[in-house]
Amino acid sequence: GAVVSQHPSRVICKSGTSVKIECRSLDFQATTMFWYRQFPKQSLMLMATSNEGSKATYEQGVEKDKFLINHASLTLSTLTVTSAHPEDSSFYICSATPQGATDTQYFGPGTRLTVL
Amino acid sequence: GQSLEQPSEVTAVEGAIVQINCTYQTSGFYGLSWYQQHDGGAPTFLSYNALDGLEETGRFSSFLSRSDSYGYLLLQELQMKDSASYFCAVIQGGGKLIFGQGTELSVKP
Repeated sequence: GAVVSQHPSRVICKSGTSVKIECRSLDFQATTMFWYRQFPKQSLMLMATSNEGSKATYEQGVEKDKFLINHASLTLSTLTVTSAHPEDSSFYICSATPQGATDTQYFGPGTRLTVL
Repeated sequence: GQSLEQPSEVTAVEGAIVQINCTYQTSGFYGLSWYQQHDGGAPTFLSYNALDGLEETGRFSSFLSRSDSYGYLLLQELQMKDSASYFCAVIQGGGKLIFGQGTELSVKP
């Protein structure tokens, strides 16, 4: 149990385009989902906390107009990288917290974004 | 500011025991978790300590001292497949995870 999926697993796009990444909890309901970004050989940096039915909370330094987050249901959160640039190339990972279990996070397999 | 310090890399041989330390300084603290990440993969949960003491899960153990803001991950009977990056992470309110910079463990034959 406790599986989180991400789609797509890998995406290559041209500079200036927008890319949407989906994060789904497959066998549990997640009131909270988190989005992380990881550059090569670096740590996971929390970008934002996404709560179902409300606006996402962004970490300091993360542009909310550039990284649009929608958490429309208890099993789906989406991250849209708008007007992507090469410096946005990174590994984007989501995680989901089951209802009533705030000390547990299940991570998705990640999405590798390459912006040309 | 918030910071978690852990060694950048550790090398050990198969069958050995290795300890990865983590010291933290954060504005909120509910517990300390450890994650394993292989190249190109997602983090995999290893252990969680909310209270002082040692938690044992198979070959892996984790320790926490809240008064010292310190914890460690102990890996026993090392195997080649244990070569990976290991991250300590502080859990804050709302389930937020703040990760350390990671320790790259290389296990040699």
